[in-house]
Amino acid sequence: DTAVSQTPKYLVTQMGNDKSIKCEQNLGHDTMYWYKQDSKKFLKIMFSYNNKELIINETVPNRFSPKSPDKAHLNLHINSLELGDSAVYFCASSRRRGAGTDTQYFGPGTRLTVL
Amino acid sequence: GNSVTQMEGPVTLSEEAFLTINCTYTATGYPSLFWYVQYPGEGLQLLLKATKADDKGSNKGFEATYRKETTSFHLEKGSVQVSDSAVYFCALSDLTNAGKSTFGDGTTLTVKP
Repeated sequence: DTAVSQTPKYLVTQMGNDKSIKCEQNLGHDTMYWYKQDSKKFLKIMFSYNNKELIINETVPNRFSPKSPDKAHLNLHINSLELGDSAVYFCASSRRRGAGTDTQYFGPGTRLTVL
Repeated sequence: GNSVTQMEGPVTLSEEAFLTINCTYTATGYPSLFWYVQYPGEGLQLLLKATKADDKGSNKGFEATYRKETTSFHLEKGSVQVSDSAVYFCALSDLTNAGKSTFGDGTTLTVKP
């Protein structure tokens, strides 16, 4: 039973296309996140949702739009893809909003390559 | 704001060597501290954590002690194995800023037989 799952695992696409990445967690957690990891392994938070409400929105181009249909799902839609969007995108979840002691559970990642 | 500084990598060790990866932090509140590990091709997973000063987190032979006086949370293991080869991230989280976690830049460890 996968706790945090993402689809697709690999995504190869042309510049200018629009694509989506889906994330689901079956842990019953209230809070979900999207992170971007670049080729040097640096991890940067992009967004966080708590029970379908956006609570963290870092400085990210507005081509990136998260959507949370329910608290178990957090999808990421990217418009007009650029070369610099190539990275590994991780979804994560944690039990409660703002609880500093909570562990984050990460998905396996989606490797996006923009050609 | 919060920040985490960890030892730059890459680190290469022989099997059974002693490992230390340094991590220091700055935080506006009273943070919890974490070490996450990322094995090749996988997502991050929790290795250990500590939620208050002088707590020691431990797992799989790894240890780290929350030192408030030196704002540090150094990761140690007495005898590394080839299977410990991974990227290690130090992180903190506190009650400010919606509980957002702050991650260090990661340290790549390679253990050779």
